[in-house]
Amino acid sequence: AQSVAQPEDQVNVAEGNPLTVKCTYSVSGNPYLFWYVQYPNRGLQFLLKYITGDNLVKGSYGFEAEFNKSQTSFHLKKPSALVSDSALYFCAVRDRRYSSASKIIFGSGTRLSIRP
Amino acid sequence: DVKVTQSSRYLVKRTGEKVFLECVQDMDHENMFWYRQDPGLGLRLIYFSYDVKMKEKGDIPEGYSVSREKKERFSLILESASTNQTSMYLCASTPDSWQATNSPLHFGNGTRLTVT
Repeated sequence: AQSVAQPEDQVNVAEGNPLTVKCTYSVSGNPYLFWYVQYPNRGLQFLLKYITGDNLVKGSYGFEAEFNKSQTSFHLKKPSALVSDSALYFCAVRDRRYSSASKIIFGSGTRLSIRP
Repeated sequence: DVKVTQSSRYLVKRTGEKVFLECVQDMDHENMFWYRQDPGLGLRLIYFSYDVKMKEKGDIPEGYSVSREKKERFSLILESASTNQTSMYLCASTPDSWQATNSPLHFGNGTRLTVT
């Protein structure tokens, strides 16, 4: 069965410091991997995705994520955090063996808090 | 830009009432979804529709039904609302083609439902 784990409920970082939000996954086949961000009282917004190719994926707002097949991880990173990055972040995985779009699994979310 | 519109941002209903949550997308997407978001549980799929009048149960369909009479509109129905259905409800859509199996979800801003 597919699963996604975000081991940290909350991550606190000082503005200007690098940030990492962790995600590990479990799928039988090869995954599509996604990161979404949710600002207060809003829906989720797509940040970036890994499909194939380069293990380092760049996305919106200066975020990037590194796909590590051996560790089954897809951690979200940013070199220099901004206060405006404070939000709830979700990792999601889809096993590419399944054609149905319903087979997308979300992690439980990580709240990122950037202090000035 | 894809727009997914949920008709209500906040709803307060009484136990036993029949509740309708409406969602409209403007990009001619085949797939539409209803998720429920609860703290610490991430997003859980309630129902999925891949075409007009076609639907598929998600992970937590009990107590819910859906209707898709037109391609752009997907309604979630709580037949008899209960307090444990108090939650944030998110609608999403994606296109559906062999090229689009890695397409991200496009989300509405959510409806926060309180059942008293």
